[in-house]
Amino acid sequence: DAGITQSPRHKVTETGTPVTLRCHQTENHRYMYWYRQDPGHGLRLIHYSYGVKDTDKGEVSDGYSVSRSKTEDFLLTLESATSSQTSVYFCAISEIPENYGYTFGSGTRLTVV
Amino acid sequence: ELKVEQNPLFLSMQEGKNYTIYCNYSTTSDRLYWYRQDPGKSLESLFVLLSNGAVKQEGRLMASLDTKARLSTLHITAAVHDLSATYFCAVDGREGGSQGNLIFGKGTKLSVKP
Repeated sequence: DAGITQSPRHKVTETGTPVTLRCHQTENHRYMYWYRQDPGHGLRLIHYSYGVKDTDKGEVSDGYSVSRSKTEDFLLTLESATSSQTSVYFCAISEIPENYGYTFGSGTRLTVV
Repeated sequence: ELKVEQNPLFLSMQEGKNYTIYCNYSTTSDRLYWYRQDPGKSLESLFVLLSNGAVKQEGRLMASLDTKARLSTLHITAAVHDLSATYFCAVDGREGGSQGNLIFGKGTKLSVKP
């Protein structure tokens, strides 16, 4: 792949616990994104980052927070996991989105029980 | 609110046949992306369409963009089983902006049968 890895690949957690997903890139791309994918909804943007410590909310940001302290890492935190956050989470990176598009990670399958 | 609508959402084709997937969107964006996703896998970039009238082809797939009609099409020629997957179109969510974030359609699940 294009130097983007997500961890963990699978996680089962209990309702009410905090969870952090990690996206790591080796491409030195400026932009990083977190999406969730659910049946019938396609992919929906949670948060994105346009630089170190520069982040903004997406369409479905409630219940999620993000941090980017280094160019290569973008963390997604579920402060108190709920069953509605059971989903597949994809990270994406881009340097100049309008020219080169976006590259997606392999995804993290999160189950909240 | 930006909307991206794909149709059909499900498509069952016979091998050797032709078909078109449509992607309508509500923004004035002139940048549109097509992705392929196999079950349980990540999204694979197929085409990046950057201007009105853009046409790109790769193998049996051809994508086009009409920004005036706010329509993109993904045409499949002489389908083969290996093309079975879910296809997504996506549009930049910020008009004129360079930060970019993608708004996706719900996907078209394509099944090609012998």
